Amino acid sequence: ILNVEQSPQSLHVQEGDSTNFTCSFPSSNFYALHWYRWETAKSPEALFVMTLNGDEKKKGRISATLNTKEGYSYLYIKGSQPEDSATYLCASSSGGSYIPTFGRGTSLIVHP
Amino acid sequence: DTGVSQNPRHKITKRGQNVTFRCDPISEHNRLYWYRQTLGQGPEFLTYFQNEAQLEKSRLLSDRFSAERPKGSFSTLEIQRTEQGDSAMYLCASSPPQGRNYGYTFGSGTRLTVV
Repeated sequence: ILNVEQSPQSLHVQEGDSTNFTCSFPSSNFYALHWYRWETAKSPEALFVMTLNGDEKKKGRISATLNTKEGYSYLYIKGSQPEDSATYLCASSSGGSYIPTFGRGTSLIVHP
Repeated sequence: DTGVSQNPRHKITKRGQNVTFRCDPISEHNRLYWYRQTLGQGPEFLTYFQNEAQLEKSRLLSDRFSAERPKGSFSTLEIQRTEQGDSAMYLCASSPPQGRNYGYTFGSGTRLTVV
């Protein structure tokens, strides 16, 4: 994998559903993995920065895991709420560069 | 601290004109980044400053683009002879000197439309 890839591209869920997204990144020379939430008309907001294989981080109903050996991270949202509607971006510093490369994001829409 | 501030929020310009954007990072952050986002894409890296030194530039940054951070505080991004393909959201971000455990703080961006 040469680029950072996110799936799915978009997701519609009902309020209360739990959901998860995937971020795939180059596993060689891994440095850091970032997750951001970007709501319309606002700034991207940092959710997590993970650096160690096996890292798991949690912030309220949102959690993330990291596998640097196989080059993927999962973001989980438990009991989605309409205010969780946003684009979720992941960014990886790996492959020899310290500057994060962003994926295209996963657009989440939570319907009441 | 009011976070990362970008001005203007929106800019409409005619093809061929020059435009300049400004970014004021968080005062304690010595690292500053410019990214560009076009429709359907993630933010693409343009350039990176540590203090006043421009340490990295993307191949995306053509000769028409120049960025400065003269005193290691605010930064400007100038685009000369704008083209329609330059229409995008230009994002600025800053981060502290402590290293890789810290995420970026982004500004709200400047949306450029070239007509």
